[in-house]
Amino acid sequence: QVQLVQSGAEVKKPGASVKVSCKASGYIFTNYYMHWVRQAPGQGLEWMGVINPNGGGSTRYAQKFQGRVIMTSDTSTSTVYLELNSLRSEDTAMYHCACPYYYGSRSFDIWGQGTMVTVSS
Amino acid sequence: SYVLTQPPSVSVAPGQTARITCGANNIGSKSVHWYQQKPGQAPVLVVYDDGDRPSGIPERFFGSNSGNPATLTISRVEAGDEADYFCQVWDSSSDHPVIFGGGTKLTVL
Repeated sequence: QVQLVQSGAEVKKPGASVKVSCKASGYIFTNYYMHWVRQAPGQGLEWMGVINPNGGGSTRYAQKFQGRVIMTSDTSTSTVYLELNSLRSEDTAMYHCACPYYYGSRSFDIWGQGTMVTVSS
Repeated sequence: SYVLTQPPSVSVAPGQTARITCGANNIGSKSVHWYQQKPGQAPVLVVYDDGDRPSGIPERFFGSNSGNPATLTISRVEAGDEADYFCQVWDSSSDHPVIFGGGTKLTVL
C-alpha cells in the first residue's frame, strides 16, 4: 500500500542542523510532489515547502524558511529529505511529509508518521 | 497573506450535530479541504474539494462551501470523533500556496 515512513526523533542544540528523511513506497515516487508540514507542540499545522522528486528536484519554500531549509530527493531510494539549519527553540515540532496522491494535487491524503525534532541546549 | 479563521473549540453531545467553520475572504472561490487529527497521530483527510469524501470516511462527515464561512458538518457525533479539525486551501496567487486554519478542538461531551 502507499505509505510514507519517516526517520526517528532528533534532539539538537540551537544553531545546529537537522536532516529528516521520508521514504515512499507503494507508488511511482517521481509522479507525485512531496510537501513538508510541521506542527509545534499544541499548535496548528504549518506548511514549509514542496519538492518535485522528478528529475531536477525543483522546490518551493515558504518565505518564512527561505535560506534555512533545503529539500532534496533521491530517486534511487524513493526518499525525500528535509534539512533545516540554524535551529532555534521555536523549531521544536513534529515534522511530517505529506503527499497529494489520490484526490488531486491540492489536498494531502498520504502522511508520514512524523518526526519529532527537539531543539534544546 | 490569506488567513483561515476557525473557532478554537466546539462542543457537542453524542448523537448531535457538530458544525466547524472556516472563514476567510472570498473563500467560496477556493476549494476547501478538512483534516481530522487525533492526539499523537498524523492528520487524516476527511473532506476534499469542499464536499467530497475520501474512501473510508463516513457519510456523517459533510463539507460545504457556498460562501463565507466554509463548514464541516459532522452528524450523529460519536465519541471517536473527538479530535482537532483543520481546514486548508491552496492559494495559487501566493508565494505561500498551502494555508491551514488554526484548528478547532471538537469535544464530545
